[in-house]
Amino acid sequence: GAVVSQHPSRVICKSGTSVKIECRSLDFQATTMFWYRQFPKQSLMLMATSNEGSKATYEQGVEKDKFLINHASLTLSTLTVTSAHPEDSSFYICSARDQLMGPLHFGNGTRLTVT
Amino acid sequence: SQQGEEDPQALSIQEGENATMNCSYKTSINNLQWYRQNSGRGLVHLILIRSNEREKHSGRLRVTLDTSKKSSSLLITASRAADTASYFCATDEETGAQKLVFGQGTRLTINP
Repeated sequence: GAVVSQHPSRVICKSGTSVKIECRSLDFQATTMFWYRQFPKQSLMLMATSNEGSKATYEQGVEKDKFLINHASLTLSTLTVTSAHPEDSSFYICSARDQLMGPLHFGNGTRLTVT
Repeated sequence: SQQGEEDPQALSIQEGENATMNCSYKTSINNLQWYRQNSGRGLVHLILIRSNEREKHSGRLRVTLDTSKKSSSLLITASRAADTASYFCATDEETGAQKLVFGQGTRLTINP
């Protein structure tokens, strides 16, 4: 079945630094990938839709200069949290579809802790 | 924005019992999907039901969809301790944006 790999699974960084999270579709091509954020015991909040070869589409309230998304190939999207602050600490999850209007395949998520 | 509301928020039952979770949504949809999430992990797709379908089965899972009431339910029969997880419904809206909007989730605990 379709597999999405996300790396790293955990990262701890200091305030003011930047962190890059990678999301790869391993056995299918994904022109679109989705980045979600999840707070403890809460639902997933869509942050942005990553589009291969073009700019990402950000949801209302998500700072595009804070959360940089790059989708340079059909199998890789990256999310960079720039100038991280403790309030950016969260669980970030990426996902992609291998068929139009089919189910989403999720990475295992990245637990970001900013100290 | 989140459009799915799930009920109950938490459910605790004994192993072997059936678990029912409900989901309501607000807009027209192409399909509705249910996902499962174990603590600290990504989500796993369980079942997809299209807007022109009313019921769907997969193993011990049964999903219903009522588009007139904009609601869906997920039934897990003969629950097992391993079913303990959070369950989310997600709607694929007719806007064509291809993004899924997730409900708040139900935290299910199966007691052995």
